[in-house]
Amino acid sequence: KNQVEQSPQSLIILEGKNCTLQCNYTVSPFSNLRWYKQDTGRGPVSLTIMTFSENTKSNGRYTATLDADTKQSSLHITASQLSDSASYICVVILQTGANNLFFGTGTRLTVIP
Amino acid sequence: NAGVTQTPKFRVLKTGQSMTLLCAQDMNHEYMYWYRQDPGMGLRLIHYSVGEGTTAKGEVPDGYNVSRLKKQNFLLGLESAAPSQTSVYFCASSPPPGETQYFGPGTRLLVL
Repeated sequence: KNQVEQSPQSLIILEGKNCTLQCNYTVSPFSNLRWYKQDTGRGPVSLTIMTFSENTKSNGRYTATLDADTKQSSLHITASQLSDSASYICVVILQTGANNLFFGTGTRLTVIP
Repeated sequence: NAGVTQTPKFRVLKTGQSMTLLCAQDMNHEYMYWYRQDPGMGLRLIHYSVGEGTTAKGEVPDGYNVSRLKKQNFLLGLESAAPSQTSVYFCASSPPPGETQYFGPGTRLLVL
């Protein structure tokens, strides 16, 4: 069964600290993996996209890693800011079909001053 | 560009009432999607469309109908609302093959 699991469910960190969010998946055949940021009351917005051959992708203070062998991805946030408070959703995409996205349940990150 | 817009932003219904949620996109995307998001669950696909005049069922289609009469609009209908349909509904659009999805701001629906 195609599944995407994220951990932790929620996380609270102090402003300025780093954190890492995890995503494990069983989706096959794999095409690419995305991390989305969803602010409260808003729709998800894409942060990074990684294909099978990519190990690391950065977007400012956000760095995503992918290990296609172990089917794991992580999102590392450096020097967190209050504006990083949001839900972060891992999405794994199959190789074929319009109906081919599998969403994780997300990690709720709260950054406190 | 407004991107993806959704109407209304918030609605309260009584059980058995009907309503239509409107999604509009100005990016000329072929694909459009309707999702629901519930606490503790990932986004779940209700229905989707790969082009004007076409629709298909997603993971949780029961109780919902959709129409795509114009390329830029995707309507989601609830024929007889039930409390289990209380949720936040998101519309998304993308160019083929559907990987890069752009989401609307969501519609919060409460069914009493």
